[in-house]
Amino acid sequence: EAGVAQSPRYKIIEKRQSVAFWCNPISGHATLYWYQQILGQGPKLLIQFQNNGVVDDSQLPKDRFSAERLKGVDSTLKIQPAKLEDSAVYLCASSYKGWSGYGYTFGSGTRLTVV
Amino acid sequence: GQQLNQSPQSMFIQEGEDVSMNCTSSSIFNTWLWYKQDPGEGPVLLIALYKAGELTSNGRLTAQFGITRKDSFLNISASIPSDVGIYFCAGQLRSGGGADGLTFGKGTHLIIQP
Repeated sequence: EAGVAQSPRYKIIEKRQSVAFWCNPISGHATLYWYQQILGQGPKLLIQFQNNGVVDDSQLPKDRFSAERLKGVDSTLKIQPAKLEDSAVYLCASSYKGWSGYGYTFGSGTRLTVV
Repeated sequence: GQQLNQSPQSMFIQEGEDVSMNCTSSSIFNTWLWYKQDPGEGPVLLIALYKAGELTSNGRLTAQFGITRKDSFLNISASIPSDVGIYFCAGQLRSGGGADGLTFGKGTHLIIQP
């Protein structure tokens, strides 16, 4: 079974520029999550989708971050404009709707550096 | 958002030693999970716990879901070099049915000296 695919693996941008990350979940996984992991911290949930609808975006900084999952499959996360404190690894995860812990899978992440 | 209190922050041990780490929360969780993260990779699930008091093993790993639902521990017996990495606890407010986001601890960095 293919895992959660993310691209790009690395991105370096200047502050105030925009950036987008892409995620393709495991086939059949209805739920998709974006997490932000700052160096030395655990991942923090940014947004959760169920199919193409948003379930939880309470921790998403909506003034600069946006995410979409138009066809209920792959998803993009955008930052516009980026700030220095956005430097982090952005992880995508997916799970079955009727979740058990062993179906909750993370991708390898995109490492963003804002200079 | 909430983060879990995970300790110790780092551990330096000899190969073959046993390891113990724990996680506490000010609020109740219905599910506790333990993950391992290697450099440049996403977290990989080690053990999932669904019931208060539950004790579960996965090879050399053993984890328990605290009776109060506010804590969990992970033990690793007879550590080997490939156990090196960062271990995270994570809590979830609902189990089964709706697949909610996870709340993570800050991680325990395990370093093994040969």
